[in-house]
Amino acid sequence: NAGVMQNPRHLVRRRGQEARLRCSPMKGHSHVYWYRQLPEEGLKFMVYLQKENIIDESGMPKERFSAEFPKEGPSILRIQQVVRGDSAAYFCASSAGGDRGGNTIYFGEGSWLTVV
Amino acid sequence: SQQGEEDPQALSIQEGENATMNCSYKTSINNLQWYRQNSGRGLVHLILIRSNEREKHSGRLRVTLDTSKKSSSLLITASRAADTASYFCATVPTGGGNKLTFGTGTQLKVEL
Repeated sequence: NAGVMQNPRHLVRRRGQEARLRCSPMKGHSHVYWYRQLPEEGLKFMVYLQKENIIDESGMPKERFSAEFPKEGPSILRIQQVVRGDSAAYFCASSAGGDRGGNTIYFGEGSWLTVV
Repeated sequence: SQQGEEDPQALSIQEGENATMNCSYKTSINNLQWYRQNSGRGLVHLILIRSNEREKHSGRLRVTLDTSKKSSSLLITASRAADTASYFCATVPTGGGNKLTFGTGTQLKVEL
């Protein structure tokens, strides 16, 4: 049973380019979360999605960032016109349920974005 | 200060010793989860403890939760060099779905 799969593991982009990070949740999980980790810091919540729905995007920057979790395929975190400050590790997580708050949340290995 | 702060920030011990890490939080929680992160890697889930639980064990790990003090501790007994990692607590607030709020972590180094 594969865990949370993220790709790419490492991504280098020039300023102004677009970054697309993909996440496939664990089998049977329908709840997906994205977190960002800056160097030497803890993880910060970005967005919580279910299939075709954004449940909570309170941690997403207002501009340039978007996320989706289509009916078919992986969840995508998209960063447009990247800037150096976007350099970070982006972690995807998934869980079987969401509403009751008692579900273990499993994390992927992360996607390390470097903006040069 | 933010929800879920770990103490100490860094801890260095000898193999075989016990390591204790503490976590404090601010709001009412549904549950608290501890994770381990090796350098450059993802987070590995260790233990989930619900707000109505006081203590949980898993192998060499023991987690306590004191909701009156809004604090939790993670004890690793008989530490090994392989336990060297960063350890994070993360809380799910009451009514907050599964949205985790992480602390800044404790960097544990276990020396041979």
